[in-house]
Amino acid sequence: AQRVTQPEKLLSVFKGAPVELKCNYSYSGSPELFWYVQYSRQRLQLLLRHISRESIKGFTADLNKGETSFHLKKPFAQEEDSAMYYCALGQGGSEKLVFGKGTKLTVNP
Amino acid sequence: DVKVTQSSRYLVKRTGEKVFLECVQDMDHENMFWYRQDPGLGLRLIYFSYDVKMKEKGDIPEGYSVSREKKERFSLILESASTNQTSMYLCASSSAAGGGISNQPQHFGDGTRLSIL
Repeated sequence: AQRVTQPEKLLSVFKGAPVELKCNYSYSGSPELFWYVQYSRQRLQLLLRHISRESIKGFTADLNKGETSFHLKKPFAQEEDSAMYYCALGQGGSEKLVFGKGTKLTVNP
Repeated sequence: DVKVTQSSRYLVKRTGEKVFLECVQDMDHENMFWYRQDPGLGLRLIYFSYDVKMKEKGDIPEGYSVSREKKERFSLILESASTNQTSMYLCASSSAAGGGISNQPQHFGDGTRLSIL
């Protein structure tokens, strides 16, 4: 079964420190992976997707098919990065996404 | 910019009532989705529609039904509301797959926080 695991419910770092939000997936086909972010009192929005291979707000994520991972990284965290982050898996042949349970990131001053 | 509008931000209903949650998108998207968002459980798909009058059950469809009579509107119906349906409900839409890409990004509404008393 398709599954997305985000092992950390909560993650707390200090401003300027590197941050890595982990995402592992289980899927036998060719995955399409996304990171979504929800800032306080805002709607859930797309942060980045693996096929774009771009950096958004300083965040990057690399698909590692060998480790079935799609970890989200930022070298220097900012306070405005504090939010809920969800990793999502798209499955070929279906237009649905499977979401992880989310990681709440807090960046302390 | 894609706009997904959910009719109510907050809603309070009583056990046993029939509850309608409405969602409208303005980007002519083929796909529309209803999710529940609960702390510690993430987003769980209730129902999905890929075309007018077409629907597909998600992971937790029990106690819910949906209606899609027009392309831009997707309604979630709680047939007989129960307290365990108290939750945040999110609507999303996406364009159809194409160009070798199976999953287009989903665009979300602000959510409806539903309380069943």
